[in-house]
Amino acid sequence: NAGVTQTPKFRILKIGQSMTLQCTQDMNHNYMYWYRQDPGMGLKLIYYSVGAGITDKGEVPNGYNVSRSTTEDFPLRLELAAPSQTSVYFCASSYSGAWDSPLHFGNGTRLTVT
Amino acid sequence: GQNIDQPTEMTATEGAIVQINCTYQTSGFNGLFWYQQHAGEAPTFLSYNVLDGLEEKGRFSSFLSRSKGYSYLLLKELQMKDSASYLCAVSYSGAGSYQLTFGKGTKLSVIP
Repeated sequence: NAGVTQTPKFRILKIGQSMTLQCTQDMNHNYMYWYRQDPGMGLKLIYYSVGAGITDKGEVPNGYNVSRSTTEDFPLRLELAAPSQTSVYFCASSYSGAWDSPLHFGNGTRLTVT
Repeated sequence: GQNIDQPTEMTATEGAIVQINCTYQTSGFNGLFWYQQHAGEAPTFLSYNVLDGLEEKGRFSSFLSRSKGYSYLLLKELQMKDSASYLCAVSYSGAGSYQLTFGKGTKLSVIP
């Protein structure tokens, strides 16, 4: 099983550009999440989804958008990239809610905005 | 908000035992996770404690005291490959739903 797959692994954006981070999972998990991780900081939840067609904001949603048209895919859209969005982004999925079910993480996308 | 404290860095010797502490202040506590994250890689699940006490899983054990807001991760017979960051994450109920908050992580360096 591939688990959670994220693309791209690395990306450099100029300020104001847009991009989509792709995430797909093959474990048939209903729950999917996007986190960002900055040096010296804990993982911060950006958006999450409890099933196809349902998404909700996490702790730091500003500047991002998501969609969940299928169980497998949960892309994260950055509009008008800003230097503050330089971070490592992790997509994750879980069998049930992250509060009582282990998260399965993708390998991350390292994004630099200059 | 939720407050989770872990030491920033620790160093231990190969073959030794190390204890990584995590303290938290939260209302509506549900459970506590430990994740391991090697440099440049994704976090991976280690353990989940809901009830008080010690849970053992091979060389790794995790302890929880709900009344004290305290957990630790115990690593025995340390190996060089155990050099990684260890993330404590607390799940709790709040604002009508369950939430999960991560600590900043403890970077463990295992030296020969």
